[in-house]
Amino acid sequence: ILNVEQSPQSLHVQEGDSTNFTCSFPSSNFYALHWYRWETAKSPEALFVMTLNGDEKKKGRISATLNTKEGYSYLYIKGSQPEDSATYLCAFTLYNFNKFYFGSGTKLNVKP
Amino acid sequence: GAGVSQSPSNKVTEKGKDVELRCDPISGHTALYWYRQSLGQGLEFLIYFQGNSAPDKSGLPSDRFSAERTGGSVSTLTIQRTQQEDSAVYLCASSLRRTGVGNTEAFFGQGTRLTVV
Repeated sequence: ILNVEQSPQSLHVQEGDSTNFTCSFPSSNFYALHWYRWETAKSPEALFVMTLNGDEKKKGRISATLNTKEGYSYLYIKGSQPEDSATYLCAFTLYNFNKFYFGSGTKLNVKP
Repeated sequence: GAGVSQSPSNKVTEKGKDVELRCDPISGHTALYWYRQSLGQGLEFLIYFQGNSAPDKSGLPSDRFSAERTGGSVSTLTIQRTQQEDSAVYLCASSLRRTGVGNTEAFFGQGTRLTVV
């Protein structure tokens, strides 16, 4: 079983705060790291896919970095808004494998 | 359709009854996956389809669980003689190619929340 760990489990911040979460994964046989945002009663929505060590991706106020050698990825949200409230999932894939290994997610609550 | 569609969105069933969950993937997506999330747990892989065949069923928790896919499109996950521990959100996803090949992105449905009482 491949362990993907996310921290913290939950986070409560005020509107305007910047925040970040961590995803840790096995560094051997790494192929790709995915971040998803899952809002209540909606489908998980893909945010980023990263494959290369040192990759940085950005989408609006959200960005992510990847360190494949040490096995971690950070997701940053700048100036959190209430609409950012969701569970953020990371998922790791092995080369030529056909499944994601998901972490249990970080639940973010942004208070107005 | 535009996205992955699952039905029903909610299902409450009595222990011991059979249930069928349906997934309609994005047109043209050859790969289809079922995952589930039990309370307090992460998303757990159940089964992967490539076309109509299922080369990886390793995540099905018991022989009460089965799935099929027809016409390279719609998939049905069947749970026989449901137990309370089957209560979970069942998510379906589809992708153009299998994950683990290129930057393949998987698109998820909204899930079916199954409650076994």
